[in-house]
Amino acid sequence: NAGVTQTPKFQVLKTGQSMTLQCAQDMNHEYMSWYRQDPGMGLRLIHYSVGAGITDQGEVPNGYNVSRSTTEDFPLRLLLAAPSQTSVYFCASSPRLAGGYTDTQYFGPGTRLTVL
Amino acid sequence: GEDVEQSLFLSVREGDSSVINCTYTDSSSTYLYWYKQEPGAGLQLLTYIFSNMDMKQDQRLTVLLNKKDKHLSLRIADTQTGDSAIYFCAETLPMDSSYKLIFGSGTRLLVRP
Repeated sequence: NAGVTQTPKFQVLKTGQSMTLQCAQDMNHEYMSWYRQDPGMGLRLIHYSVGAGITDQGEVPNGYNVSRSTTEDFPLRLLLAAPSQTSVYFCASSPRLAGGYTDTQYFGPGTRLTVL
Repeated sequence: GEDVEQSLFLSVREGDSSVINCTYTDSSSTYLYWYKQEPGAGLQLLTYIFSNMDMKQDQRLTVLLNKKDKHLSLRIADTQTGDSAIYFCAETLPMDSSYKLIFGSGTRLLVRP
């Protein structure tokens, strides 16, 4: 298994540009999520999905869109990039146990995004 | 409210024990986690503890949970230079039909030779 993969690893955008951060997992996990990590702060949840066709907002969803057309893929879209979105983005996935709780998340290696 | 707090920095000498502390505010936490992040890498799950447990030991790692004080700690025995990293404490909170993970800001552990 490749686990959780993210592309690209690094990206530089200009303000107002759009792009999609890709995330894929080959573990047949139901639950996938996107986090951003900023200096001196923990990870903050942007959006999450509990299964194909289902997405919901996390703690900091503004400026980001997601979709989940397959179990494997969970892309994150920035429609109008802003300097405040400069961050490291992590995708994570986890299996879903009976009762809706799980005991571990698997993280991708991250995408470092700079918006000028 | 939901808040997870950690001290920002810890420095220890190689071979000593390291203790990283974490406090959380929400008593409905189900699982509590410790993640390790090495420079330029993603987060790696180190260990976790279910909220009805007091202690969990896994090789050099010991997790202690004090539910009354909402305090979680990670002890690393015989700390090695390879243990230098940022350690994140996180709690799982139930949310509708799923859950969310709340992270602390991370403790940077520096191991001096």
